[in-house]
Parts: sequence; structure tokens; C-alpha cells
Amino acid sequence: AQSVTQLDSQVPVFEEAPVELRCNYSSSVSVYLFWYVQYPNQGLQLLLKYLSGSTLVKGINGFEAEFNKSQTSFHLRKPSVHISDTAEYFCAVSEGRQGGSEKLVFGKGTKLTVNP
Amino acid sequence: DAGITQSPRHKVTETGTPVTLRCHQTENHRYMYWYRQDPGHGLRLIHYSYGVKDTDKGEVSDGYSVSRSKTEDFLLTLESATSSQTSVYFCAISDPGLAGPDTQYFGPGTRLTVL
Repeated sequence: AQSVTQLDSQVPVFEEAPVELRCNYSSSVSVYLFWYVQYPNQGLQLLLKYLSGSTLVKGINGFEAEFNKSQTSFHLRKPSVHISDTAEYFCAVSEGRQGGSEKLVFGKGTKLTVNP
Repeated sequence: DAGITQSPRHKVTETGTPVTLRCHQTENHRYMYWYRQDPGHGLRLIHYSYGVKDTDKGEVSDGYSVSRSKTEDFLLTLESATSSQTSVYFCAISDPGLAGPDTQYFGPGTRLTVL
């Protein structure tokens, strides 16, 4: 079964600093990878996804992630964070096969707190 | 926002009572999902549906049942609510024709408290 590990449960940073949120997954087969963001008291919003092609994926709000197959990682980065980036971030993985149930397995989340 | 609504948005109920949560979508997407979110656990899949009357269990299905009699509605029922089912429940949809495979879009959530 697939599993996703988000290595940091909480990440505090100062405004305008760079940030990296780490995500590792267990599958050795072809996968699709996702990052979602959840602002307080809201639902999850898709930040970016990797399906195929270029291993560097750009998403909304200046975030990007790099797929590393050999390391089974999909780390999320932003070069300069804002107060408004304070939220919880979830990494998710699915088996990259055509058809099927399209189920995702989520990590436990990383709470990013951006301090002034 | 993929046209997903959840009702009710908040509910407080007592142990042993039945509870039904509704997820409604307006755009005829094929796949629908119910998750629960608890601190320290992330999102865990309860049940999912891949078409009308086609449903299957997820990771944490005990104590929950679902029904999908119409494409647009996916109901989650707690037959006899317990305090361990206090949680935030999210509905999601996906459709390969919407945004590619496996890409899920989420509703706003329902906060359920079982006393």
C-alpha cells in the first residue's frame, strides 16, 4: 500500500525567507503527486501536481515542487514566503495508472507559520 | 471551486443518534469521496464512489455507510454516532476530463461534534 511521509509537522519561518516542505512516498511504481494547501477553517485547495514530463512543477502563489524518482521525494519550495502563506500543507500520492479508482493517499500535513 | 457544496456545515449531535451528511455537485463528475480530517492524522478516506450506485470502502469505513442514487449527490451516514466520529468531514470529486487523472477538488467541509 502507498504511504506518504511529511517529515516536518510544523515549520516556522520569518517573512521573506525561503521555505522547503518535505514529502517522501513509498511506491516504486509510476505515481502521480500532489500538494494541497488548507487555510484555517477552509477546505483543501490544489497547489500543484506532477503527472509526467518535467520534474520541476510550478504551482499557484509562487510555489514549486521537484519530483525526484530516485529519492521518492516531492518537496515543496518557495523562495520568499509571505504572512498569507501561513496554512497547512498536504502532500498526496496516487498510482499513476490509467483508469481505476483515482484514490489519493495523504500525508499527515505540515503546518507552515510565517512570522513577521 | 468545481461546484461542490456540503450540508450541513456544522452539526452537534448526541451519541447513538443517526446522522447524514450530504455532498452535492453540480457538474456530473464521476468520482466522489468522503474523508475525515483529524489532528495528527491528515485526511483519511472513508468511502468513495465511481458512479451511481457504485461505491467502495476506504481506509476508515467502520461505522459509516454511503449511498449515491444520483450522480450529483453522495450521502454519508453514521448509523449510530459515537464520540470518536467527532471530526471534520470533507467531500471531494475528481474527473479525468476536468483536470487530468486523480486530481481531486474539495468541498468546504462539515464540522461534526458528537456529545
